Amino acid sequence: QSALTQPASVSGSPGQSITISCTGTSSDLGAYSYVSWYQQHPGKAPKLMIYDVSNRPSGVSNRFSGSKSGNTASLTISGLQAEDEADYYCTSYTTSRTLVFGTGTKVTVL
Amino acid sequence: EVQLVESGGDLVQPGGSLRLSCAASGFTFSNYWMTWVRQAPGKGLEWVANIKQDETEKYYVDSVKGRFTISRDNAKNSLYLQMNSLRAEDTAVYYCARGRYTSGWWGQGTLVTVSS
Repeated sequence: QSALTQPASVSGSPGQSITISCTGTSSDLGAYSYVSWYQQHPGKAPKLMIYDVSNRPSGVSNRFSGSKSGNTASLTISGLQAEDEADYYCTSYTTSRTLVFGTGTKVTVL
Repeated sequence: EVQLVESGGDLVQPGGSLRLSCAASGFTFSNYWMTWVRQAPGKGLEWVANIKQDETEKYYVDSVKGRFTISRDNAKNSLYLQMNSLRAEDTAVYYCARGRYTSGWWGQGTLVTVSS
């Protein structure tokens, strides 16, 4: 049950696009399409941004999009805004019937 | 409106026990898998356990197997996490969340501190 691998930090200027990667194995990301992405601001509970690889919950901006190829998932934030500055975590269902989170990525808006 | 409210967090000595509760409202609790996730101070999120609607399936992260037990009471719309043999590394904010594969609703968390 090793954590999925994410870059520790990603930064971009307002208006730019950034992509956060999430790398796993054939036992998690490579096995299922149950991939979610969460945004977490300091001191707050996580907020669901993407589920089932590329679906956005109601109310989430269409600036957020998700994809997956093989053992790697990605979250892209387009038109970066100051409010997007937060920590982001990916998750995946696993062949052990458990879930595993990514290591987390701090997004900084320059 | 969906609400999840955790309680039961406290300061406990290593080797001690604690029971967390999560009170659910605003949805039909018995229709959903439920999940516990924790976050150590300054660290990332860690999935802890989840439980099926009728309690016939329960799954745990390896680090808590044999020490933690997840349960629920659908009549009381409540989720529980019994934590035994607590260790310093169990110190974290514990969140309850609705769902199995993904969680669109989370509580505000309850802090568990394991220290002598």
